[in-house]
Amino acid sequence: NAGVTQTPKFQVLKTGQSMTLQCAQDMNHEYMSWYRQDPGMGLRLIHYSVGAGITDQGEVPNGYNVSRSTTEDFPLRLLSAAPSQTSVYFCASSSPGELFFGEGSRLTVL
Amino acid sequence: GDSVTQMEGPVTLSEEAFLTINCTYTATGYPSLFWYVQYPGEGLQLLLKATKADDKGSNKGFEATYRKETTSFHLEKGSVQVSDSAVYFCALSFKAAGNKLTFGGGTRVLVKP
Repeated sequence: NAGVTQTPKFQVLKTGQSMTLQCAQDMNHEYMSWYRQDPGMGLRLIHYSVGAGITDQGEVPNGYNVSRSTTEDFPLRLLSAAPSQTSVYFCASSSPGELFFGEGSRLTVL
Repeated sequence: GDSVTQMEGPVTLSEEAFLTINCTYTATGYPSLFWYVQYPGEGLQLLLKATKADDKGSNKGFEATYRKETTSFHLEKGSVQVSDSAVYFCALSFKAAGNKLTFGGGTRVLVKP
C-alpha cells in the first residue's frame, strides 16, 4: 500500500549544488506532478507529466528539470540550487478527480 | 488567471466548536472544487470535492457546498475534535486542464481540548 513515495524527506544543500528529488508511484497513474509549498502561498505547480515521455511546465518551472522515462518514476532535478528554492516539495500522482500526494521533501538551500 | 482565496489562519477553536473556513474562487467557467487536508508531517489528502453547482461534498463530518452565485466553497464542521488540527487547502481544477490544481494559501486549524 505504498502509494506515492518521495525521497529524501530532508535535504540541506549549499548554493550552486545539484540534487534530484525522487518520486515513485505504484498505482499505475499516467498523470504525475511536482508542487512546492511555501508559507501562505499554498502549493504551486512546478512541472507535470501526462505519461511516460511527456512533460510540461507548470506555474513555477524555472530552476527545475524533470523527466519521465517510466510510468512509475518522476524525478525532479535542481541543477544549481538557490536559496529561493528552499521549500517543501510534494510529488503527486492522480486518477481522474483526485490527486494522491507523497509525504513531502523538505529542502533547505544555504 | 484562476485563483483561490482562503481565510488566513491560524484558526484556534475549542473541542466541539463549530468550524467554518471560507473559500472563494476566481475562474472563467465552472471548475471542480476540492478541499484537501494536511496533517502534521504528512502530505495532502483529499477531504471532499464537488464537481458542479449546488453539489455538496461531505466526508468525516465536514461539508462544503458549491455556490456558483457567490463563487464559494466554504468548509464547515459542526463539532471539531483535537484530531481535526491540520492545514486545510481549498483548490480548483478544470477537466480540460487535466489534473492540474490551483490551490489557496491554506488555513491552519488548531483545536484545543
